[in-house]
Amino acid sequence: DAKTTQPNSMESNEEEPVHLPCNHSTISGTDYIHWYRQLPSQGPEYVIHGLTSNVNNRMASLAIAEDRKSSTLILHRATLRDAAVYYCIPRTQGGSEKLVFGKGTKLTVNP
Amino acid sequence: DSGVTQTPKHLITATGQRVTLRCSPRSGDLSVYWYQQSLDQGLQFLIQYYNGEERAKGNILERFSAQQFPDLHSELNLSSLELGDSALYFCASSVSAGTLRFGGYTFGSGTRLTVV
Repeated sequence: DAKTTQPNSMESNEEEPVHLPCNHSTISGTDYIHWYRQLPSQGPEYVIHGLTSNVNNRMASLAIAEDRKSSTLILHRATLRDAAVYYCIPRTQGGSEKLVFGKGTKLTVNP
Repeated sequence: DSGVTQTPKHLITATGQRVTLRCSPRSGDLSVYWYQQSLDQGLQFLIQYYNGEERAKGNILERFSAQQFPDLHSELNLSSLELGDSALYFCASSVSAGTLRFGGYTFGSGTRLTVV
């Protein structure tokens, strides 16, 4: 499993953009990059995933570096509900397809 | 409601006892994954089943076992419980990532197990 490095914590103000970085320098060419978040007292929630090109959905955008050694999850306008622990997870296609969670980044959103 | 149902939501039991946690996956999902989350260990992958067959094992103790039934629901059995088994247990489900329907893994809201 590829290793990831994320900041332990980040802070943002409400309605401002948030850029959550993740380094995954040992990622293999076929690993998809997944992002999940876990709100307090809830199960993890899927945010977005991608392979090479940038991806957008209703929740967030995922910017993947050209060499794929890092990625950035972008929340365009943070809300108080976005306060959570965010996990970046390289996931190998095929095989068991299990997710291996690291420690993630705890995002605090200030009103 | 995520579509993944876990029961019970809370469970309190004594050391040495045995409990069964149940998970009903989202409709159409063939894979079920079990995770344990304790304060000091984070989210740990335990085991995965795919369409009734064990697909992958993680850090699952020998005292723990799981199975997936023909209707695709899964049960996680924890026996000879110790204080250190107190944790949140999450179940997740997914379709195969190779399918067009794949949109990530869907987690349930968890079972909080307290061993006293």
